[in-house]
Amino acid sequence: GAVVSQHPSRVICKSGTSVKIECRSLDFQATTMFWYRQFPKKSLMLMATSNEGSKATYEQGVEKDKFLINHASLTLSTLTVTSAHPEDSSFYICSAIKRGSLSTDTQYFGPGTRLTVL
Amino acid sequence: AQSVTQLDSHVSVSEGTPVLLRCNYSSSYSPSLFWYVQHPNKGLQLLLKYTSAATLVKGINGFEAEFKKSETSFHLTKPSAHMSDAAEYFCVVIIYGGATNKLIFGTGTLLAVQP
Repeated sequence: GAVVSQHPSRVICKSGTSVKIECRSLDFQATTMFWYRQFPKKSLMLMATSNEGSKATYEQGVEKDKFLINHASLTLSTLTVTSAHPEDSSFYICSAIKRGSLSTDTQYFGPGTRLTVL
Repeated sequence: AQSVTQLDSHVSVSEGTPVLLRCNYSSSYSPSLFWYVQHPNKGLQLLLKYTSAATLVKGINGFEAEFKKSETSFHLTKPSAHMSDAAEYFCVVIIYGGATNKLIFGTGTLLAVQP
């Protein structure tokens, strides 16, 4: 199998604080991980593509300084929402591609993290 | 530009009846298409994928989808719905570019299965 975990599964924080979300590939190495955001009753929107050992590539309209991504190892990527505000409340989902796989191969998704900013 | 359109935001069927979830795509070249399912509190799971091989693709849990170029469609079907099929379904197209390809998700179809 290919299991991706996210921690925490849900987090509530105060406005102005920073929150870190972890994405781990448990039984495989992932050279590339993706971060998505899903609004209620809406589709997933790609935020950024994270490659191990290099800077993340952000999609248009996503603030790099607001959403800090670190892909420090082949099994871990983190997303830090800095100075969170209520409008950042959302469901954040990560996915990973197995190291050595083709670019059209399957992305394995984590269960998501529900962020609520008060 | 590549995109997918899911024509129905909600579909309700009775258990044991056929399921049809519609998806149309737009692509300037032969696309790679996927269907993913999202159950509450669970990660997205790949149901099936089309990558220019056989046009009729069989997936997990009895689902299948047919790629029809003439209709630019990739509808998802299942002969007989089960209660456990109730979930959100996403049609997805892959965009090729640079070092990494990207998935573009449709807006999703929520499938309800009535007993």
